[in-house]
Amino acid sequence: DTEVTQTPKHLVMGMTNKKSLKCEQHMGHRAMYWYKQKAKKPPELMFVYSYEKLSINESVPSRFSPECPNSSLLNLHLHALQPEDSALYLCASRPGESQLPYEQYFGPGTRLTVT
Amino acid sequence: GNSVTQMEGPVTLSEEAFLTINCTYTATGYPSLFWYVQYPGEGLQLLLKATKADDKGSNKGFEATYRKETTSFHLEKGSVQVSDSAVYFCALSVFEGGNMLTFGGGTRLMVKP
Repeated sequence: DTEVTQTPKHLVMGMTNKKSLKCEQHMGHRAMYWYKQKAKKPPELMFVYSYEKLSINESVPSRFSPECPNSSLLNLHLHALQPEDSALYLCASRPGESQLPYEQYFGPGTRLTVT
Repeated sequence: GNSVTQMEGPVTLSEEAFLTINCTYTATGYPSLFWYVQYPGEGLQLLLKATKADDKGSNKGFEATYRKETTSFHLEKGSVQVSDSAVYFCALSVFEGGNMLTFGGGTRLMVKP
């Protein structure tokens, strides 16, 4: 099973709302990632969790707050977003930051629209 | 640093035509190379990979060979189908870089019946 699941599939939120994106994998992977993808662009790395600890934050604004409650689950909490934050948010996982295999497995994404 | 350059799209082909999407890279260290595919409205799927020079990755009729001497990893398919219409991303990761993925800009492929 190489499945990463993400919920919700679509989300529309106002600039004053608080919402959360959820990502789950049951492959025993210990590295999990959040990416942001704008139309016609490659994914941009936002955060990396390694063994449930935040290891990389790519200078992401504080209105995005990641959380890793356990080794299978990754959340992205959203608050006071801007319309330019509208994008496809992708979650990915791999066995461990320095372990084979090196490829990442991606979820289907959450399409976020900020109004 | 690390970078990946792909041919710009869109690439428009007729069904059963031969496909080549060029990909070249620069890397500090010894990279692993990947092709990911993204179908409309979906996430990225790993299409194929190669982890050392002269390795050939293959899947679903697609192939790519890791060419260290030309720092290239071109994607090929002998006969494309309409269902192959998607965006293709070439990517690399380097162990010394924490195995972060570096993506190319993506190439949109449109296959017409």
